[in-house]
Amino acid sequence: GQNIDQPTEMTATEGAIVQINCTYQTSGFNGLFWYQQHAGEAPTFLSYNVLDGLEEKGRFSSFLSRSKGYSYLLLKELQMKDSASYLCAVRELNSGGFKTIFGAGTRLFVKA
Amino acid sequence: DTAVSQTPKYLVTQMGNDKSIKCEQNLGHDTMYWYKQDSKKFLKIMFSYNNKELIINETVPNRFSPKSPDKAHLNLHINSLELGDSAVYFCASSQDRGRGYNEQFFGPGTRLTVL
Repeated sequence: GQNIDQPTEMTATEGAIVQINCTYQTSGFNGLFWYQQHAGEAPTFLSYNVLDGLEEKGRFSSFLSRSKGYSYLLLKELQMKDSASYLCAVRELNSGGFKTIFGAGTRLFVKA
Repeated sequence: DTAVSQTPKYLVTQMGNDKSIKCEQNLGHDTMYWYKQDSKKFLKIMFSYNNKELIINETVPNRFSPKSPDKAHLNLHINSLELGDSAVYFCASSQDRGRGYNEQFFGPGTRLTVL
C-alpha cells in the first residue's frame, strides 16, 4: 500500500520563499515527482527525484530523503502566478509494473 | 502540435446514459493512463495501458471500460452513468524507460457532469 501526505493549503507572500512538504510510505520506491496544477487546468511536471539530495531548477527546488520517506518542494521569489495546487507523486515498482500515486495536493495562495 | 489531446472538453449528460471520452497522444509514448479528479481535487489512477496492453486496473466499476486501438490512443467508455461519476477525467502518457525521467504529460481534461 501507499500513503502520501502533504498539507492541504498554504499561504505565502509575493517575493517570499515557501516550502511544501510531502511524506510518503511505499514499497518498491522508484522516484518522486512534483507537479503543478492551476485551477481548471491539467497538471504539469515540475521536478523528479530518485536519489537523496536537492535538485534545483530555476526558482524551484525539490529535495528527497528516501530513508525518511520525505520530500519538499521549495519555491523562491514567489510570484502571483505560482498560486496553484502542488501535487506530490510517488512512483513505485512492484510485480504489476510501474505505478504512480498522487497525493491530494497542496493549494498554495500567493498574496500581494 | 498538441501533445496529449482529449475530446470532448465538456460533457453534460443524464443519469443512465452511455458516453465515451477519447484521448490521443503524439509524443510516441508507449504508456497511457486515465485519471479521475473529483471535487476534492484528488487525482486518482483508474487505468494504465502499455503498448495497448492493460497493466493497471484500479478498483473501478466495470461500467468503465478502456479501449486502446493503438499505442497512441486510449479511449474511455462509461456505461449507465451515475451522479458520482461527475468529475474531471484526465488522460496522460509517459515513456516508461525504467529508471530515470518518465514524467507524465496530461491532456486538458474532460469535465463530466451527470444530471
